[in-house]
Amino acid sequence: QSALTQPRSVSGSPGQSVTISCTGTSSDVGGYSYVSWYQQDPGKAPKLMIYDVSKRPSGVPDRFSGSKSGNTASLTISGLQAEDEADYYCCSYAGSHTFGVFGGGTKLTVL
Amino acid sequence: EVQLVESGGGLVQPGGSLRVSCAASGFTVSTSYMSWVRQAPGKGLEWVSVIYSGGRTYYADSVKGRFTISRDNSKNTLYLQMNSLRVEDTAMYYCARDGSSGWHHVNWGQGTLVTVSS
Repeated sequence: QSALTQPRSVSGSPGQSVTISCTGTSSDVGGYSYVSWYQQDPGKAPKLMIYDVSKRPSGVPDRFSGSKSGNTASLTISGLQAEDEADYYCCSYAGSHTFGVFGGGTKLTVL
Repeated sequence: EVQLVESGGGLVQPGGSLRVSCAASGFTVSTSYMSWVRQAPGKGLEWVSVIYSGGRTYYADSVKGRFTISRDNSKNTLYLQMNSLRVEDTAMYYCARDGSSGWHHVNWGQGTLVTVSS
């Protein structure tokens, strides 16, 4: 069982927006501004999409955005494209004993 | 360009040992925070270990006392020594260069598969 809770799957049509939630506790998501999101295509390594809750690395389209409210973080993808279909994982710092915890992953299907 | 190339994975019996490597280029391992993250077949990601630029090391409870992270500055390479391996350690092992602040994994290697089975 993963430390952070994500929906198993979400879907949307091209051009629509989808939001993936990531629920933790006050010991991880709620306690630090260190939530990151990763995109993983089948058989490939994960790719950093969002860090520090809402920052985008260079090269990541601005269609990807992140936010946090209390113990829940969210990744929103606007203007969905077929290439966005992938697995998405959230991650949070959880203090100097546990360090990093991941969500169980969400499969995004572009209809 | 940052590149990370893992190697050393393979099949090992329960109770056995294995060392996986991560050769880095485009940056200096010794001045970076570096992590190992694993993914069991069909499962999610799990953070395993981190080594800070100053040399401090930390481990997930699931591997503490069995795994050791280290680096060879002359070879610009990161290692993960895995002892007393268990069936549940079967996974793809990724090395990652971490951000200089906060907690995030910026660059990832392609992974090396470790299978623990009799």
